Amino acid sequence: EAGVTQFPSHSVIEKGQTVTLRCDPISGHDNLYWYRRVMGKEIKFLLHFVKESKQDESGMPNNRFLAERTGGTYSTLKVQPAELEDSGVYFCASSQEVGRKYFGPGTRLTVL
Amino acid sequence: AQRVTQPEKLLSVFKGAPVELKCNYSYSGSPELFWYVQYSRQRLQLLLRHISRESIKGFTADLNKGETSFHLKKPFAQEEDSAMYYCALVTGTYKYIFGTGTRLKVLA
Repeated sequence: EAGVTQFPSHSVIEKGQTVTLRCDPISGHDNLYWYRRVMGKEIKFLLHFVKESKQDESGMPNNRFLAERTGGTYSTLKVQPAELEDSGVYFCASSQEVGRKYFGPGTRLTVL
Repeated sequence: AQRVTQPEKLLSVFKGAPVELKCNYSYSGSPELFWYVQYSRQRLQLLLRHISRESIKGFTADLNKGETSFHLKKPFAQEEDSAMYYCALVTGTYKYIFGTGTRLKVLA
């Protein structure tokens, strides 16, 4: 089966620009998560979708981040406007059951 | 507070030597813990979970509630074990709390 896919794999933008990251979960997985690893720090939870609903968005750092999952399939995470501290690797994961998650390869975001 | 601590950023061992990657947690509920591994240029993948009590690739981890630990062990390290290892705690809302990770380097 195809795993979780993320696009793009790497994005380099300037401060103030907008970037949209995409995640396609494993087909049939209702749960979709976004995580982020900022350089030198731990991987941190951003938010959790169950189908198209936001179950938990307690990890979203501020209102410059907007996540959507229209139709309960793929998800997008938009950063607008991007700041230097947003640089890092953004991971998406999906799961059907509680606990075990399948991770995507990540999107490396560099804000200059 | 919910927290996962991996005290070692880097652990270097020689091939054939025993390995122990430390993980301590802080959680008021009943913990569910995982070890994930990320090999070079690959995605994060599940290595093992404590409820399965299984051994994967020779690795084992036992949950010690008294010491709030979930250390990962392998009796004889192999070069292909070199990777980044993350300990993770899953909370009641299903989100993971990760440790900062330990890079394991197995030297020939």
